[in-house]
Amino acid sequence: QQQVKQSPQSLIVQKGGISIINCAYENTAFDYFPWYQQFPGKGPALLIAIRPDVSEKKEGRFTISFNKSAKQFSLHIMDSQPGDSATYFCAASYDYGGATNKLIFGTGTLLAVQP
Amino acid sequence: DAGVIQSPRHEVTEMGQEVTLRCKPISGHNSLFWYRQTMMRGLELLIYFNNNVPIDDSGMPEDRFSAKMPNASFSTLKIQPSEPRDSAVYFCASSFATGVAKNIQYFGAGTRLSVL
Repeated sequence: QQQVKQSPQSLIVQKGGISIINCAYENTAFDYFPWYQQFPGKGPALLIAIRPDVSEKKEGRFTISFNKSAKQFSLHIMDSQPGDSATYFCAASYDYGGATNKLIFGTGTLLAVQP
Repeated sequence: DAGVIQSPRHEVTEMGQEVTLRCKPISGHNSLFWYRQTMMRGLELLIYFNNNVPIDDSGMPEDRFSAKMPNASFSTLKIQPSEPRDSAVYFCASSFATGVAKNIQYFGAGTRLSVL
């Protein structure tokens, strides 16, 4: 119930196309859903995040779509660029009243944007 | 801010040797996380600390692994003895545990460990 399932494992998109990565969860207590971006040789970095009280959040070319009833959320990258080539992780956490929140990460999606 | 600093960046050692990985969190952050990343298992949380106290070490794979945080600016992850299956990239992350910020973790560049 603590898992976050992510698909696809890898994705190849042409420059200018739309990249879509999907995640699903079971634990309805999750209340924060971030996406992290990781370039080769670097640590993951927060890209964009959403809370379940909204169905969509957009920041530039990156959009999270959230479906609370289906317990699914997805990352859409519009006008994909070669510089977007990286590994993307979805994650989820909930506030259990502790001092900090533990993130549960998906297994990652390796995105390659071809020029 | 310099961000989360990990050392060494690369470590090559022989099976049976002790390995110590080091992490300096972002100044002012009071939560620290150790992760392991492999192709097979993805990004796994090993242990995390809040105010230098270990909160959850359920992800530590075996007794060969230990972690300490003697003060707010330094943490170590030790493997003794090391085995080839410990080969992975180990990440340290920190966060500021208050309000919405407690969800945001900042990662270091990682230590790539190879155990021969």
